[in-house]
Amino acid sequence: KAGVTQTPRYLIKTRGQQVTLSCSPISGHRSVSWYQQTPGQGLQFLFEYFSETQRNKGNFPGRFSGRQFSNSRSEMNVSTLELGDSALYLCASSLAPGQLYGYTFGSGTRLTVV
Amino acid sequence: DAKTTQPTSMDCAEGRAANLPCNHSTISGNEYVYWYRQIHSQGPQYIIHGLKNNETNEMASLIITEDRKSSTLILPHATLRDTAVYYCIVRADKLIFGTGTRLQVFP
Repeated sequence: KAGVTQTPRYLIKTRGQQVTLSCSPISGHRSVSWYQQTPGQGLQFLFEYFSETQRNKGNFPGRFSGRQFSNSRSEMNVSTLELGDSALYLCASSLAPGQLYGYTFGSGTRLTVV
Repeated sequence: DAKTTQPTSMDCAEGRAANLPCNHSTISGNEYVYWYRQIHSQGPQYIIHGLKNNETNEMASLIITEDRKSSTLILPHATLRDTAVYYCIVRADKLIFGTGTRLQVFP
């Protein structure tokens, strides 16, 4: 079966711009979580969506937002980009929230802010 | 708010068992122990999980102490492809990653 698909794979943006990243979960998976990975901070939890509702949120500023559509696909948006937002953004899908053994991760979107 | 402590790095010879420890002294009764690993430039991959009994699957074994305050992930015959960062996670609601253990398997 197809895995978790993240698009685009690479992105270069300028400070102050905004960006939208997309995540298509495994068919049948209804929960999508987003993570930011940087060399300094490691893997940090951004938010989790299930049935189009945000269930959990990490400690990130309001510039980071997300949404989930009725087909379970999810997008995350970062507005007013800062240099420190340069990171690998990973999404993971699972059948339902709380099934922490069943997370499947995508390959990520590498965002560079210049 | 990771609730686990792991060594920063470990080495293991190819073909030998790799034993990765994890301390989780504040674990609650309903929290499972999960192990994921991240091979360079890839997303994390689920390995195994357990509540209080030892568990084994095709990838690894998980040994949890009787008091549940620590556990050990065992890769019985490490290969070069097992070189990765291994994360021990103790949660009931969402996956929160700590700093993990960087395992280097050498020939």
